[in-house]
Amino acid sequence: EPEVTQTPSHQVTQMGQEVILRCVPISNHLYFYWYRQILGQKVEFLVSFYNNEISEKSEIFDDQFSVERPDGSNFTLKIRSTKLEDSAMYFCASSGTLSTDTQYFGPGTRLTVL
Amino acid sequence: SQKIEQNSEALNIQEGKTATLTCNYTNYSPAYLQWYRQDPGRGPVFLLLIRENEKEKRKERLKVTFDTTLKQSLFHITASQPADSATYLCALLYNFNKFYFGSGTKLNVKP
Repeated sequence: EPEVTQTPSHQVTQMGQEVILRCVPISNHLYFYWYRQILGQKVEFLVSFYNNEISEKSEIFDDQFSVERPDGSNFTLKIRSTKLEDSAMYFCASSGTLSTDTQYFGPGTRLTVL
Repeated sequence: SQKIEQNSEALNIQEGKTATLTCNYTNYSPAYLQWYRQDPGRGPVFLLLIRENEKEKRKERLKVTFDTTLKQSLFHITASQPADSATYLCALLYNFNKFYFGSGTKLNVKP
C-alpha cells in the first residue's frame, strides 16, 4: 500500500541553525500538508500546498518557515534560525484529488533544538 | 479563533462495551469533520469523515454523528477491543484545506 515517507526520523540541531525536513507524498496525490505536534500537545496545522503554491497557512507559519516542492516527488519544510520552541514532531500528510479526501500522514520527524 | 474541545481525561472501558468520545467546537461550523486514531510516536490515521449536511456515518464498528446545532460530534466504537486502545482525534476542515485538530481523547480498553 502506498505510504507517505519522511526523512530524517530524528533531527538534532543547535538553536539558530536552519533545518530542512523532507517528505515524499503518495505519488498521485495533489494536496500536501505540514503539521507539528509538541510533545503531549495537539496536532497543529502549519500549511497546505496545492498546485505548487501555499493554499492555507496558520498563524504559526511565519517568515521563519517555508515549503517547497523542488521536484515531482519531494515536499520540504525549511525552518530558518530554529528556536528551542520549534522542538516537536513534524508530520507531513498528503491527500488525493480533493482536499476532503483522506489525509495520509507520514511517520513524522522528531526535531530537537538544543 | 476556533476552539475544538475533546475530553482530556482518558476514557477507560471494559472490552466488549461501546466507547463514546465527544468533540465540541465553537464559532462557525466546519464543512467537514474527520476522526483520526493516533498511537504513541506515530502519525494520525484517518478513520471517518462526515459532512455538515450528514447526521451519521458508519464504518464497521465505528459510528460518527454530527450535530451542527449543538456544535458537537460523537464518535462511537462498538464491541470495543484492547486493540482499539489509542488516542482519538477529531479534525475540522475550514476554508479550502485548513484543518484544526482537537487535543484528543485517550481510550483504554481493558480485557
